[in-house]
Amino acid sequence: DAGVTQSPTHLIKTRGQQVTLRCSPKSGHDTVSWYQQALGQGPQFIFQYYEEEERQRGNFPDRFSGHQFPNYSSELNVNALLLGDSALYLCASRPGNSGGYTFGSGTRLTVV
Amino acid sequence: RKEVEQDPGPFNVPEGATVAFNCTYSNSASQSFFWYRQDCRKEPKLLMSVYSSGNEDGRFTAQLNRASQYISLLIRDSKLSDSATYLCVVKPIYGQNFVFGPGTRLSVLP
Repeated sequence: DAGVTQSPTHLIKTRGQQVTLRCSPKSGHDTVSWYQQALGQGPQFIFQYYEEEERQRGNFPDRFSGHQFPNYSSELNVNALLLGDSALYLCASRPGNSGGYTFGSGTRLTVV
Repeated sequence: RKEVEQDPGPFNVPEGATVAFNCTYSNSASQSFFWYRQDCRKEPKLLMSVYSSGNEDGRFTAQLNRASQYISLLIRDSKLSDSATYLCVVKPIYGQNFVFGPGTRLSVLP
C-alpha cells in the first residue's frame, strides 16, 4: 500500500519563476493538506483540500494556490518565487476529518 | 506568543536514559493532540495521539493537562534509534489545520 507520494523530490528554481508540486494521497484518504517547513522549524500550514475545495488556509499570500482533483490528488502552485520560499514542502493526507495525518517525504524547493 | 511551544533542546542523553519533552499551547479551544517524530531530512511520522487520560505505547507515555494547556512525552530506556526531532501538534476545535511546534531534537548517545 503506497503512502503519500510527492513529486518531484528536489527542485531548483530562479526568483520570479513559478512552480507546481504534486501529491497523491494515501489510498483511502480524501483530505489533503500542504505544509511548508523551513530549516530548523516545524511545518507551517498552507491550506487544506477536501472534496476538491479549499477548506481552510493558513497565513500564506495569494502567490500560493492549490487544487484537488476528483481522484483526491493535489497540486500546490507558487507564483513569483522569492528566496524565502526555499523550504521543504510537505503534503499530508488523512481519511475525512479524524485522526493524524500521514505525510509524504516532501519536495525540497530551492530558490536561487 | 507562539501557538505551540516546546523545550528548545537539543537533548543529549545516554542509551537507557529516561527523557521527557514538554509542550504548551495557547489556544484553549484545542481538540486533538499528537506527537510526531521527524528524522533528519525526512518527513514527520505520527508517533502517538495524546488522550486526556494519558496513554502509553511501549516505552512512550504521553500526558495531557487541559487546564494548564500542557502536553508531555516521556521516553523510557532510550535507544539510539530514538534520535530524532519530536514535534508537538495541536488541532483547534474550529478549523482543519494542525499546528506544529518547532520541535525538540533528541540525540541518544552510545
